Order: sequence, then C-alpha cells, then structure tokens
Amino acid sequence: GAVVSQHPSWVICKSGTSVKIECRSLDFQATTMFWYRQFPKQSLMLMATSNEGSKATYEQGVEKDKFLINHASLTLSTLTVTSAHPEDSSFYICSAREGANEKLFFGSGTQLSVL
Amino acid sequence: QKEVEQDPGPLSVPEGAIVSLNCTYSNSAFQYFMWYRQYSRKGPELLMYTYSSGNKEDGRFTAQVDKSSKYISLFIRDSQPSDSATYLCAMSRIINNDMRFGAGTRLTVKP
Repeated sequence: GAVVSQHPSWVICKSGTSVKIECRSLDFQATTMFWYRQFPKQSLMLMATSNEGSKATYEQGVEKDKFLINHASLTLSTLTVTSAHPEDSSFYICSAREGANEKLFFGSGTQLSVL
Repeated sequence: QKEVEQDPGPLSVPEGAIVSLNCTYSNSAFQYFMWYRQYSRKGPELLMYTYSSGNKEDGRFTAQVDKSSKYISLFIRDSQPSDSATYLCAMSRIINNDMRFGAGTRLTVKP
C-alpha cells in the first residue's frame, strides 16, 4: 500500500530554535497534505491543509507565522515550527492523499520536545 | 461541546471478548465516518470507512453508523492481544477532507 514517510520521528530542541519536519509520499503524488497536532490522550487536531504549489490553509487559532508549511512538490511537504517554545511540545502527524476522493495515508508522526 | 466525543478509556478486556467502541457527534453535516487504529507514537491507520448510515463488516470488525442518533460504533469480535491499540473515530462532510477526530479509546486485550 501507499506509504507516507515522516522525518524525524523524534526531536528535542532548545527554546527559541526552529525545527523542520518533513512529510514525503513515497509511491504516489500527494496533491494534498494535512498537518495535525496531537497532545497526550487528546484527539488529532487539524492544523492546516496544504495543496501542492499554493499557500496552506490554516485552521482557526493556528499561527501561520509560527507554523510554516511548504508544499513545493507533489511528494514533499514540510512543517517548520519557528522559535519553538515548551508549549509547542507535541506529537505532529502529517497525512497525504493523491486526489480529492482518494484514501488518506498518515505518516508515523514526530514527537517534538522543546526544552 | 466538542464536535466529536469519544470516551478515552482505558478499556481492558480478556482475549476473545467482543469489544464495543463508540463515538457521538454534534454536526449533522458529517457524511463519512472512519475508524483508525493507532499504535503508540505511530500514525493512525484506516480500519473501516462508512458512508452515511448503516453497517459495514470486515473480518472481525463491524462498523455501525446511526445518523439519527449521531452515534457510531466499532465492534471487534474474538479480540486478540494484537488488537491492543488506541482506536480513533473520525468523520467529515467531504470525503477525506477536513476530518474531525475523537480523542481515541485506548484498548488492551489481555491474553
């Protein structure tokens, strides 16, 4: 089946630094990718929807200047957490689909810990 | 009120038991209903997908949707230790778009 690779799986950084998370579709062209955040024992919260070649659409309450999303190719989307702070510590997951009605595949997630 | 409510558990059952997992929701516009399984610190994987009301069966898994009650269920028959995971319900108005997730129910099946 289709595979979505997310890297890194785990990252620790100092407060104030920026962290980039990559999401790649390995065997299909992902026209749309989604980014989620998941706190312990809570549901996945959609942060933004990213369509290849256009600006991401952010959910209400998500700071676009803090969570920079780039979807420059059909196989790669990146999420950059800028000037990370301890409250940004969370599990970040991406998902991708090939077309509007196609199945959604999830990455394995990235655990971010900001010290 | 959250759009999607799901009891986080934890739920512990003996091997072979029938497991019932449930979600309620408030948005009557939801048309697509999914169940995902998520192992610890991994991304969710799709188990079952249902459109509108009705039942769907796949092996040991049965998904039910009752739109009139805004209530969905996932049943697992003959549960196995390998079924131990967190189960997330998800729903959307448009297929695979703008999905809303439940908090997930953590299930442990004891040998």
